[in-house]
Amino acid sequence: AQSVTQPDIHITVSEGASLELRCNYSYGATPYLFWYVQSPGQGLQLLLKYFSGDTLVQGIKGFEAEFKRSQSSFNLRKPSVHWSDAAEYFCAVGPSGTYKYIFGTGTRLKVLA
Amino acid sequence: DVKVTQSSRYLVKRTGEKVFLECVQDMDHENMFWYRQDPGLGLRLIYFSYDVKMKEKGDIPEGYSVSREKKERFSLILESASTNQTSMYLCASSLMGQSSYEQYFGPGTRLTVT
Repeated sequence: AQSVTQPDIHITVSEGASLELRCNYSYGATPYLFWYVQSPGQGLQLLLKYFSGDTLVQGIKGFEAEFKRSQSSFNLRKPSVHWSDAAEYFCAVGPSGTYKYIFGTGTRLKVLA
Repeated sequence: DVKVTQSSRYLVKRTGEKVFLECVQDMDHENMFWYRQDPGLGLRLIYFSYDVKMKEKGDIPEGYSVSREKKERFSLILESASTNQTSMYLCASSLMGQSSYEQYFGPGTRLTVT
């Protein structure tokens, strides 16, 4: 069955530290992969997406993610976290041919001043 | 910029009431979606629509119905609200086609059923 796993429910980092949020997926074909961010009281905003090509993708707000087929992973990274990055982050898979997305359960990021 | 708006940010209803959640998008997107978001469960698809008057059930359609009479508007209906429908409801839209799978989300409606 298709699934997306975000193993970390909560992560706390200090401002200026690096960040990596983990995402693992289970899917038979090449997936379409997304990272979304949800600030408190807001809807989800797309950070970045991977469809094909270069496995390192750049997104908005200084985020990047790397697709690793051998590990079925699509981890999100940021070299230096800002206090405004505190939010919940969702990884999602959207297979071709259907409209159905599968979302992970989210990782809530806390940033210490 | 794509804009997806939802009629209410917060809503409090009583058990048994009929509840309408409205969603409007302004970018002529073919696809529209309703999700429910609960802590620890992520986003779960209730219904989606790929055209006017067309709809398909998602993962958790029980207790919900939808209406899409115009391309820009997608309504979620709780025929008889129950306390287990207390949740955050998110609407999203997207273009049709493989190259446009990204979804654009509204701000959400936090519904409380008492």
